[in-house]
Amino acid sequence: DTGVSQDPRHKITKRGQNVTFRCDPISEHNRLYWYRQTLGQGPEFLTYFQNEAQLEKSRLLSDRFSAERPKGSFSTLEIQRTEQGDSAMYLCASSSGEGTTYETQYFGPGTRLLVL
Amino acid sequence: QKEVEQDPGPLSVPEGAIVSLNCTYSNSAFQYFMWYRQYSRKGPELLMYTYSSGNKEDGRFTAQVDKSSKYISLFIRDSQPSDSATYLCAMSVYGNNRLAFGKGNQVVVIP
Repeated sequence: DTGVSQDPRHKITKRGQNVTFRCDPISEHNRLYWYRQTLGQGPEFLTYFQNEAQLEKSRLLSDRFSAERPKGSFSTLEIQRTEQGDSAMYLCASSSGEGTTYETQYFGPGTRLLVL
Repeated sequence: QKEVEQDPGPLSVPEGAIVSLNCTYSNSAFQYFMWYRQYSRKGPELLMYTYSSGNKEDGRFTAQVDKSSKYISLFIRDSQPSDSATYLCAMSVYGNNRLAFGKGNQVVVIP
């Protein structure tokens, strides 16, 4: 069990460019989550997958954001036409997906995005 | 009003002191309450989880939940410099996996 991994760890881009982040959950974890954390704030929920199905999306996830989880394993989060307000830490988490009530979410180290 | 309120003020304490952190919430549907610890430039890691009113202890850490007051607390006894981190409260509703976080408290334990 190597934990949740995210790539890249840091990304600097210019406004208007597209960026894509990858998350590899703990193996055999069925549920995967994306959160965004800005400086001085707690993480905010963006979206959630059960296997390959995207089951919930936050209002924070504008049309410029898209997330996928093909084959129910790794996930990608793409931001199109980045804006300076997109600068944040993007966190991925996974949970086993076996529970019907509470499950511990295990977080990755995050991808820190800076939009210039 | 945000669902979860956590006074984000930094906290500096001498080594060995008791650290007291708290959060309030407005959504009475929250049933699961967590405290996460986040070191600088790292992802959050779960420290403690509880779902009922009352106290839960784990070593030097005690989590307290008062559902009637919509108030949760975390106490760290005999604080150590290695406890220096940001502490985030988080909550979720039964059957919903979305975590709602507070802003976090940065704690510095001075040797």
